[in-house]
Amino acid sequence: EAGVTQSPTHLIKTRGQQATLRCSPISGHTSVYWYQQALGLGLQFLLWYDEGEERNRGNFPPRFSGRQFPNYSSELNVNALELEDSALYLCASSLDRGQETQYFGPGTRLLVL
Amino acid sequence: KNEVEQSPQNLTAQEGEFITINCSYSVGISALHWLQQHPGGGIVSLFMLSSGKKKHGRLIATINIQEKHSSLHITASHPRDSAVYICAVSGSGNKLVFGAGTILRVKS
Repeated sequence: EAGVTQSPTHLIKTRGQQATLRCSPISGHTSVYWYQQALGLGLQFLLWYDEGEERNRGNFPPRFSGRQFPNYSSELNVNALELEDSALYLCASSLDRGQETQYFGPGTRLLVL
Repeated sequence: KNEVEQSPQNLTAQEGEFITINCSYSVGISALHWLQQHPGGGIVSLFMLSSGKKKHGRLIATINIQEKHSSLHITASHPRDSAVYICAVSGSGNKLVFGAGTILRVKS
């Protein structure tokens, strides 16, 4: 069974640009979570999508947004990039909206210059 | 004060030693997770528990809900156990709140 996949693995952007990160959950998983791990900082919860709806959001500005598609894959968009947005962005999926184990993808490393 | 506190921050052990990593939390939770992150960044979920104790191979996780404390034990540690171990708690809204992580290095 394929795990959670993310693309691209690395992304380099300049300040002010937009970045789009993609995540495909494990087959059968309906919940997708996004996390940010900035250099020297711990993991922080960004967004949770389930059944195509945004269910919860962390303490991030509105320029962090996303969506979940009918096939349960998800996109994270970051607008008006700032230098401090440079981080590892991790996606995880779980079976449903209940308290299930989350399975993590390999992450996308975003570098903002 | 952070909602999730881990100790120690750094831990160096000799191969074969018994290792304990501690996690304390200050909020109500529905579950506690132990995660392992290797240098490349990939994260593996080790345990999810809401009560008692779970064991998988050489890894044991315990939780005391009344004391809001969990421990991760590694028996017969091996250099391949070297990684960052992260405690996270989940409450309402399936939001995970993470500890800062414990950097473990096991020397041969």
